[in-house]
Amino acid sequence: EVELVESGGGLAQPGGSLRLSCAASGFTFSNYAMNWVRQAPGKGLEWISYITASGRTTNYADSVKGRFTISRDNAKESLYLQMQSLRVEDTAIYYCVREVQLQSNWFDPWGQGSLVTVSS
Amino acid sequence: IQMTQSPSSLSASVGDRVTITCRAGQSINSYLNWYQHRSGKAPKLLIYGASNLQSGVPSRFSGSGSGTHFTLTISSLQPEDFATYYCQQTYNNPTFGQGTTVEI
Repeated sequence: EVELVESGGGLAQPGGSLRLSCAASGFTFSNYAMNWVRQAPGKGLEWISYITASGRTTNYADSVKGRFTISRDNAKESLYLQMQSLRVEDTAIYYCVREVQLQSNWFDPWGQGSLVTVSS
Repeated sequence: IQMTQSPSSLSASVGDRVTITCRAGQSINSYLNWYQHRSGKAPKLLIYGASNLQSGVPSRFSGSGSGTHFTLTISSLQPEDFATYYCQQTYNNPTFGQGTTVEI
């Protein structure tokens, strides 16, 4: 069964840091690009970051560019999101998502999510 | 690319036919996906490439459209379809519509 399990969420102070991890299983992790998507309380889904299968190319939404860093360890079948200079508006559930790239591209599956709360 | 869904919410009865519309700010060919998000659960892919039903998704769900205008149709609403539905474009940096909440 294809599965993604996030960890590392919690409470952080404004200006602080947090690192999210995502453990993948049930598929060949090194063959797939991966993404992070978040949902702030009462809001919709927001894509925030992408990394290619090899890890050589990354991309970020403007809202997190320069503050967040996506990375992966294919040997450990894990995806990471290093979050720095956190703001109150970064409070959200963060989802780890596999990207399938065929005739078009889509996100499947999604992890259960990890809650990040930024508050003093 | 801005994605605009309508309506933002709707109330319907079991057995009803429900249609949700998604419009893209520019042509995205068929790079359009639909997701279902139940409260407290992980979002779930329903439709990819505008009209392709994801494996395991009930056939009452269907998608259509291309370019800038897309629709998701639930042919006969079931109680478990109470959820929020999002469209997503992957033509370039992914963006989602604001969501449509379906209340039974």
